[in-house]
Amino acid sequence: QKEVEQDPGPLSVPEGAIVSLNCTYSNSAFQYFMWYRQYSRKGPELLMYTYSSGNKEDGRFTAQVDKSSKYISLFIRDSQPSDSATYLCAMTHSMKTSYDKVIFGPGTSLSVIP
Amino acid sequence: DTEVTQTPKHLVMGMTNKKSLKCEQHMGHRAMYWYKQKAKKPPELMFVYSYEKLSINESVPSRFSPECPNSSLLNLHLHALQPEDSALYLCASSQLRGGNEKLFFGSGTQLSVL
Repeated sequence: QKEVEQDPGPLSVPEGAIVSLNCTYSNSAFQYFMWYRQYSRKGPELLMYTYSSGNKEDGRFTAQVDKSSKYISLFIRDSQPSDSATYLCAMTHSMKTSYDKVIFGPGTSLSVIP
Repeated sequence: DTEVTQTPKHLVMGMTNKKSLKCEQHMGHRAMYWYKQKAKKPPELMFVYSYEKLSINESVPSRFSPECPNSSLLNLHLHALQPEDSALYLCASSQLRGGNEKLFFGSGTQLSVL
């Protein structure tokens, strides 16, 4: 079993739709959860960061973490064509030292059609 | 300034060439990273420097040689690469205390080995 799993898509939605992106993980020690957005031929950009369980909202983006189910989600409201990108979930158990690593999911490719 | 700058953006090299990738950040981050990313795959950690010292080497072949001349600069020296080394090479940086799960990525160097 891979440490972090994510449906690769591609996911295609009409403009204005609500998008739900999900990851599951196997390591119950993970405590820090991130979502990165990566446009084609660019580096990943940090979108959302959550510590432990709960929800976090930032504009049109909501991140949810359910540690009991080992499941995290990113919701995008009122999706725009500019949201078309690959979304990578990422997580780690501790970031107290430089020996702690961020583990990335394989990414979900999203297309928002005008 | 929240940028990580990588040069060159594109590089084509033969298997006998020697070249270097460069990365610079002025955010005061004391951890710097090299990642390799193949198409439709997540970034794969290669090296981590903390306080200008190599702290993680993910069993990367010796044809890749990292260097951290100072806290703002990171280089990756390439020699005798193979065609399978063709990939997007990403530099990232982070704080070392209270937030080094937040990686800031550059746009990457797209490397082709002929």
